[in-house]
Parts: sequence; C-alpha cells; structure tokens
Amino acid sequence: EVQLVESGGGLIQPGGSLRLSCAASGFTVSSNYMSWVRQAPGKGLEWVSVIYSGGSTYYADSVKGRFTISRDNSKNTLYLQMNSLRAEDTAVYYCARAVVVVAATPVAYFDYWGQGTLVTVSS
Amino acid sequence: QLVLTQSPSASASLGASVKLTCTLSSGHSSYAIAWHQQQPEKGPRYLMKLNSDGSHSKGDGIPDRFSGSSSGAERYLTISSLQSEDEADYYCQTWGTGSWVFGGGTKLTVL
Repeated sequence: EVQLVESGGGLIQPGGSLRLSCAASGFTVSSNYMSWVRQAPGKGLEWVSVIYSGGSTYYADSVKGRFTISRDNSKNTLYLQMNSLRAEDTAVYYCARAVVVVAATPVAYFDYWGQGTLVTVSS
Repeated sequence: QLVLTQSPSASASLGASVKLTCTLSSGHSSYAIAWHQQQPEKGPRYLMKLNSDGSHSKGDGIPDRFSGSSSGAERYLTISSLQSEDEADYYCQTWGTGSWVFGGGTKLTVL
C-alpha cells in the first residue's frame, strides 16, 4: 500500500528556515517523480516543486531561489528545505507522487497524496 | 498560458447526479487532465486521469459512480447517486512545460 507521511511543519518567524520531510512506503521514491504542493488557508492547491527520478528539480516562480527539494534514497524520504520564509508561505504542504506519461501531448498528474503538514509564518 | 477554469461552486441533491466542468485555456484543448477530490479537513485524493478523447483511468478504490468525459477544451467529472461523503472540493490539474497547474476548485454541496 502506498503511503506518504509529511512532518516538520510548525510556527516560524518571517525570514526563518524550516525543513519538511515526507516518508514514503509501498514504493521507491528515487524511481518516481515526487512533488510538493501547498494550500494556503481557505485557498486552492498550488504546485511548489518537483524532483524527477533522474534528479532534475523544478520550482514554482514564487519559491525559486528560496526552497530546495531533495530526497534521501536510503530513507525513502522526500524533503523540502524552505529558507527566507514569508507570511505568504503559510500553508498546508502536501507531498505527492507524480506520474508522467510521455506522449504526443505529455500527461502528468499526482496519483498519491499525503495528509499534509501545516507551516505558519508569523511573528 | 496554460490555465484551468472551474466554477467556484455547485450543488445537487442526495441521490442525484452532478456534472462538474474544467475548461482548458485556448490552444490547449488536446491536454489531458486529472481530477482530485478534497474532503473537508483532509488531503487531496486522486480520482482519475481524463484524456481529450474522454477515455479515463481511475485511481485505486474510486467507485463506479465517478466518471469522466471530454468535449473540445472542456473536461467533465460526473458523480452519480450522490452521497453525503461526496460533499468536497474538486480540483482539476494538468501539466505543461515543466509546471503543474491546478484549477481554482469547485466546492460541491450535497443537499
């Protein structure tokens, strides 16, 4: 059974740093595309970052240069290092497994989600 | 620019059917999307991948009451025999040039 369990959220002051973790079971993180998606209070879903199975990483413009996605293959765990945090980064952060289908028009979607961890940036 | 547009809200009666719509921006009518359900205070749940020809593949354990269809740039999620637990937010999602895109979500109320 595929499971994703996030941890590491909490209250942090503006300008501070936080590292989120996502422990995976039922599949191998390094063989899959893995992503972080966030949801601000009362708002919709916003894609944050992805790491491809080959190691390439991509970020939303809103977090580029401040957030870093990585993985630890030995622990089968995904991470999100968040630096220079701002109030607008306050959200529930979900990790998700992504499926990419190479076709004439490529398809990519999230097929498993975690339960989320809340990050609150406030003084 | 790749954009997905959803109506903010929808409602239908218990036991009835409802059809939710997700519209792809101009020039992207061939794109496939995915539908996700988010029940109150829970993480999202993948429902299905929906292709431009209407073919779809559902996630693990998704009931037959959930189905998808397509017409041009529109992608639909139909839920039949509505149950109280179907009251949730529904998001469509797609991908383009390395970026994952979500619609704004539709809040479904079961009356």
